This record gives sequence, structure tokens and C-alpha cells, in this order.
Amino acid sequence: GAGVSQSPRYKVAKRGQDVALRCDPISGHVSLFWYQQALGQGPEFLTYFQNEAQLDKSGLPSDRFFAERPEGSVSTLKIQRTQQEDSAVYLCASSWSGSSYEQYFGPGTRLTVT
Amino acid sequence: SQQGEEDPQALSIQEGENATMNCSYKTSINNLQWYRQNSGRGLVHLILIRSNEREKHSGRLRVTLDTSKKSSSLLITASRAADTASYFCATDARGADGLTFGKGTHLIIQP
Repeated sequence: GAGVSQSPRYKVAKRGQDVALRCDPISGHVSLFWYQQALGQGPEFLTYFQNEAQLDKSGLPSDRFFAERPEGSVSTLKIQRTQQEDSAVYLCASSWSGSSYEQYFGPGTRLTVT
Repeated sequence: SQQGEEDPQALSIQEGENATMNCSYKTSINNLQWYRQNSGRGLVHLILIRSNEREKHSGRLRVTLDTSKKSSSLLITASRAADTASYFCATDARGADGLTFGKGTHLIIQP
């Protein structure tokens, strides 16, 4: 079946621009996660949804980052007024329920802020 | 912040040899997972071991978990060129949402 998809795969933004990154999880997966991966590092947790409820946003680095999943399926991660330090790969993952099960990752969106 | 620390950071071995990677973590966990990442297939789940398990096998993979030492190891037997990738351990910490990843071990299999 279809895996997790993300779009766009690559995004170049000028500093100060707003960007929106999309994630389509595996159908039926209750849980959805966003991670940020800097070059040469492991992914770092940003936020977690269970259905449409955002249960944890403790990893969002600043109030410029906002995520939503209004109908409990597709999710969007929005970054306002992008800064150079926001350059990273943004990974989306879904699972049946929480972190007690394996997570299925999308290919990521590579964001470069110039 | 990253909880796990993989060791070594990089490992280069000959095809057919076994590869062992270690992971240490800091807090109590519900489970520990290993993932592989390469440019072709992104981040892929390999194996999950729960906190009450000590060893688990899946094909050529063997994972051990020692909760008293807060450490885990991943053994890949009879390595193949296709095993070249970065390997991450990730913990599901109690009371936390999401996984906490280490920095990874970069494994290179020489033909």
C-alpha cells in the first residue's frame, strides 16, 4: 500500500518568507509526528498529533512554527518568517498509535533558507 | 536534545563480516527501536525491542537491550553492500511523545 508522502520534496525560501510543508500519512494511522533533522544529526521531535488533536508541541523551536491536522489525516507544518537556522530536512511519520509501535517515515522535505 | 548516543560514529567493514553498533540512552523507556537511513529509501524501521525484552532477532539482525545499563546493541551478520547506511537508535521514553533519536552510526560495507 501507499506509504507516507510529503510535499514538496525540496523547498528553497528566502529569509523572512513563510513556508508550508505537507504530510499525507498512511491511511488509518491515528498518530502523526513531525521531526526536524539537521545535517549529520539524528531526527529531533517537533510535535505529535493523535487524530486531529495536537497532544504535544514541546519540540517546536519557536512560535514561528505551527502545525495542524484539521481532519485527522493530512497535516501541514508551517514556518513563518523563515530564518537560516530553519534549514533542515523535515520528516513526517505516522503510526497506529503513539510511539509504542514502529513509525513509518516519509521521504522528508529539504528546506533551504537563503 | 538527543538522548541516545551511538557508538561508533562511523564503521567500515568488508562485505560478509559482522557489524556491531551500540547505543546508550539516559532515561527510562517503554521501548527502543533501530532505524536505517540511506539516500535511496529514507528512514526505515528495522526492529523494536520492548523494555521487558532482552534480545530480539529479525533475519540478519540481532538486537540486545540492557535496561540496567541503559544500553542496546545492533548486530548485522553477513553484511552486504546494500547495508551501507546510517543506523539510529530511537527511544520511546516514558511520559514523552515521539521518539528520541541518537546521532547515528554511519556504516560502510566495502565490497
